Amino acid sequence: DIQMTQSPSTLSASVGDRVTITCRASQSISSWLAWYQQKPGRAPNLLIYKASSLESGVPSRFSGSGSGTEFTLTISSLQPDDFATYYCQQYNSYSPAFGQGTKVESK
Amino acid sequence: EVQLVESGGGLVKPGGSLRLSCAASGFTFSSYTMTWVRRAPGKGLEWVSSISRSSSYIYYADSVKGRFTISRDNAKNSLYLQMNSLRAEDTAVFYCARDRGSGSYYSDAFDIWGQGTLVTVSS
Repeated sequence: DIQMTQSPSTLSASVGDRVTITCRASQSISSWLAWYQQKPGRAPNLLIYKASSLESGVPSRFSGSGSGTEFTLTISSLQPDDFATYYCQQYNSYSPAFGQGTKVESK
Repeated sequence: EVQLVESGGGLVKPGGSLRLSCAASGFTFSSYTMTWVRRAPGKGLEWVSSISRSSSYIYYADSVKGRFTISRDNAKNSLYLQMNSLRAEDTAVFYCARDRGSGSYYSDAFDIWGQGTLVTVSS
């Protein structure tokens, strides 16, 4: 199975900061990677698909990049609504897998 | 409005069974592969199972294989998860999700999610 590893596990940041989260796959997944945001008590929300494509309705401050085994999610200017947990997910196998999550908290 | 609504969660003893349902509305249910994902308390998201549009292809995570059965009824716009031989480690919020429809040969991203239903396995 393909394993996904995110870093860091927790990130402390302030409103206006540029935030970057990294996701690594245990083997190449081409560009078959998605990013989600989840807030407490809420369902996950798809932000990015195919590594860099912005889902409809998602603010443009979110962007994704990478291919193969290394990927990043960037929030260009952190907003109060962005404090949440973020997950990457690979979909290049019959067993799609999520990273363990990165919690973005207020510094 | 595109919507998924789960039901059927609750408290069950170890070794017991539970059937989750997911009612879809606002889109052509039969045109999409559907998936169950769970999140255990204090842990991350875990893919559980997926079923293709006509139920021809079904996949399970190793952690539930042989115990859980996914199914769908396109006439009723509904997705199901029959869970048998439940264990404490199955305690989680279970979400149904819609495959986005533009994924790889193997699987997909999930663009629509339900609000989740809590399953607690405890004696």
